Amino acid sequence: AQTVTQSQPEMSVQEAETVTLSCTYDTSESNYYLFWYKQPPSRQMILVIRQEAYKQQNATENRFSVNFQKAAKSFSLKISDSQLGDTAMYFCAFIFSGGSNYKLTFGKGTLLTVNP
Amino acid sequence: NAGVTQTPKFRILKIGQSMTLQCTQDMNHNYMYWYRQDPGMGLKLIYYSVGAGITDKGEVPNGYNVSRSTTEDFPLRLELAAPSQTSVYFCASSLVYNEQFFGPGTRLTVL
Repeated sequence: AQTVTQSQPEMSVQEAETVTLSCTYDTSESNYYLFWYKQPPSRQMILVIRQEAYKQQNATENRFSVNFQKAAKSFSLKISDSQLGDTAMYFCAFIFSGGSNYKLTFGKGTLLTVNP
Repeated sequence: NAGVTQTPKFRILKIGQSMTLQCTQDMNHNYMYWYRQDPGMGLKLIYYSVGAGITDKGEVPNGYNVSRSTTEDFPLRLELAAPSQTSVYFCASSLVYNEQFFGPGTRLTVL
């Protein structure tokens, strides 16, 4: 079974600074997808970024980028130029891309607070 | 597109009551999911469906039932509500292995 671990329950950062959220996962599979979701106080789950395991290049989306280390099973999220609107719970998630397993496995989340 | 919609937004139930949480998506996604999120926790999968007429259990299915008669709708039924079912419930849909699109959630309290 897949597991996703987020070792930082809470983090804080000053506005305009850079912060990195950690995520590790455990799987015996070689083909999978990884995601970072953001959940602001509104509770809406919003996809931040997605990474296919077969791609060596790290995904980027504007101020958000990942450091994907497949051998180490690590998938960290870097937020540059942090903004107050980035304050949210961030969840790392994994899905195996094969067979009949369509289930997304989530970590427990990291609460990020951006301070003015 | 409205995306994924859920009703109601909030509900208070008494122990032993039953209710149905509604979920509809207009993106023609085959895959639909129900999650619950307890305070300070991640999401746990209750049930999922890979198409009309096909459903399967997730991690925490006890106390719940689902049906999928159409591509668009995936209602979640709670029978004999218990305080342990107090949670926020999210419905989601996706194409296979792609990102899941989430509804706004239903906050359920069982007293």
